Amino acid sequence: QKEVEQNSGPLSVPEGAIASLNCTYSDRVSQSFFWYRQYSGKSPELIMSIYSNGDKEDGRFTAQLNKASQYVSLLIRDSQPSDSATYLCAVVDQGAQKLVFGQGTRLTINP
Amino acid sequence: DTGVSQDPRHKITKRGQNVTFRCDPISEHNRLYWYRQTLGQGPEFLTYFQNEAQLEKSRLLSDRFSAERPKGSFSTLEIQRTEQGDSAMYLCASSRDTPGNTIYFGEGSWLTVV
Repeated sequence: QKEVEQNSGPLSVPEGAIASLNCTYSDRVSQSFFWYRQYSGKSPELIMSIYSNGDKEDGRFTAQLNKASQYVSLLIRDSQPSDSATYLCAVVDQGAQKLVFGQGTRLTINP
Repeated sequence: DTGVSQDPRHKITKRGQNVTFRCDPISEHNRLYWYRQTLGQGPEFLTYFQNEAQLEKSRLLSDRFSAERPKGSFSTLEIQRTEQGDSAMYLCASSRDTPGNTIYFGEGSWLTVV
């Protein structure tokens, strides 16, 4: 079983600040990486995908990928209380094309 | 595109009973996945189909669990002789059959075994 590791948190960030979420993975051949947001009691919702080394920006969200270090991160700028949720890092298992998830990081944005 | 649909959304059952969940994927998606998620954990892979073929089953999927996708469209996940440890959210997801394609989740089916 391939592993995806995340700090479970909780991570507490003041409103308007930058929230930084980190994820490491063990399978060197992985090529596709995703960040999902999950509100309490709801299903995961895709917010970012990244496939190449470097940064990918979408609105207030920036995903960063470093394949050499096997590291993926998500930055949320100008954090809002509505960003409070659990953020799941997921990596595609190349052999089976299925997603392998980390345990998620619980983020709380404090007004 | 109506998204991935799951039914029922909530199920409470007595220990020992059988339950069945249904998933209707996004219409043009030929891959369908089942995951299970318990509180405080990320989703755990159970099984997936490409069209009607079940290509992989997790070791988490005991003999009491069975999944089908008879015509390559909707899928069912049946749990026989439920146990309290089966209480979880069962998530269905679907995607196209291309590398790196986005996997979209349904709203989940909550199971409580009492």
